[in-house]
Amino acid sequence: GEDVEQSLFLSVREGDSSVINCTYTDSSSTYLYWYKQEPGAGLQLLTYIFSNMDMKQDQRLTVLLNKKDKHLSLRIADTQTGDSAIYFCAESIRRSGNTGKLIFGQGTTLQVKP
Amino acid sequence: GAVVSQHPSWVICKSGTSVKIECRSLDFQATTMFWYRQFPKQSLMLMATSNEGSKATYEQGVEKDKFLINHASLTLSTLTVTSAHPEDSSFYICSTSGFGTGPYTGELFFGEGSRLTVL
Repeated sequence: GEDVEQSLFLSVREGDSSVINCTYTDSSSTYLYWYKQEPGAGLQLLTYIFSNMDMKQDQRLTVLLNKKDKHLSLRIADTQTGDSAIYFCAESIRRSGNTGKLIFGQGTTLQVKP
Repeated sequence: GAVVSQHPSWVICKSGTSVKIECRSLDFQATTMFWYRQFPKQSLMLMATSNEGSKATYEQGVEKDKFLINHASLTLSTLTVTSAHPEDSSFYICSTSGFGTGPYTGELFFGEGSRLTVL
């Protein structure tokens, strides 16, 4: 089946690194995504990684993918108070031509303390 | 990059009325759009996949007669919540991918979302 799991809450101090973890079940995932949602707002794509990659770095963001364990993580270096938000991981399912369908995790609320 | 716009951002309506939400892709042709619903403090759940010029494909448990989706052009998809009830109050988000602009990029673009409150 299709399932994406995340821890619900993470609290860090400003300047520390944050690591948000995600596990998924569908081995046919092609892309895995991290989205950020601020209160009352839509989703903002932070980064994505293709399933044949192990790592992707984009400025303060580092995505690690362990395909064997179906584990995805997002590391935010030098976390700032503006990073406080809900972070969703999602996997893209490509099956029966239905490209673009995403399965979302429950979201991890990141709280950054000054 | 691609921009997806939703309108309205907020809508409050009385129970029993119908509400239409628009989703527009502003700088590319969106052959496929997706409609998601998000309840408070919960994740996004895919409601339906909307293909331009054809009927939408609904996920299991989503009533197609209640959530009418029209995708008449490559830049506009609409979701109409018919005979809305308080339990339909939610945050509705559309998304689309850059298929129309060339090779599949793997990136979905999301609208800002529309918050529906049914009294």
